Amino acid sequence: KAGVTQTPRYLIKTRGQQVTLSCSPISGHRSVSWYQQTPGQGLQFLFEYFSETQRNKGNFPGRFSGRQFSNSRSEMNVSTLELGDSALYLCASSRDRNEQYFGPGTRLTVT
Amino acid sequence: GQQLNQSPQSMFIQEGEDVSMNCTSSSIFNTWLWYKQDPGEGPVLLIALYKAGELTSNGRLTAQFGITRKDSFLNISASIPSDVGIYFCAGNYNQGGKLIFGQGTELSVKP
Repeated sequence: KAGVTQTPRYLIKTRGQQVTLSCSPISGHRSVSWYQQTPGQGLQFLFEYFSETQRNKGNFPGRFSGRQFSNSRSEMNVSTLELGDSALYLCASSRDRNEQYFGPGTRLTVT
Repeated sequence: GQQLNQSPQSMFIQEGEDVSMNCTSSSIFNTWLWYKQDPGEGPVLLIALYKAGELTSNGRLTAQFGITRKDSFLNISASIPSDVGIYFCAGNYNQGGKLIFGQGTELSVKP
């Protein structure tokens, strides 16, 4: 069974721009969660989507948003990028919202 | 909010030695997960625990869900060079797809 895929793997953006990251979950998994990983803050929960509905949200500003499609694929968007948004963005999928399986991540660098 | 304290932060051991790391929480969890992350990759799920007192093994790895539901530990027996990486604990308490992560334990193994 194919694992979680994320595209793109690497991205370089300029302050003020916006970015969209994509995640395809494991087949049959309906829950997709997004995390931000930085050296200083570690792994921080962004939000979770389940059956196209946002079920949970972390403590991030409104510039961070996401959505889920009917095929469970998910996207997250960050608008008005700041230098501090540079991070590894990880997507995880789950069948039952407990055991989460992570993708390889998208490394975002904001200059 | 919920916080996880993971220790030790780093370990440098000789190949063949056993390793132990643990996590404690400020509040109870109903799920504990242990992950390993290699550089440039997403975390890989090692073990999932669902009941207080549960002891689960995965090859040379053994993890336990603490009786108080506020802690968990992971043991690695007879370490080998490919065990090198960062190990994370993560917990969840009725918050759907939101996992709280520890700060990680960086393991180095000397052949």
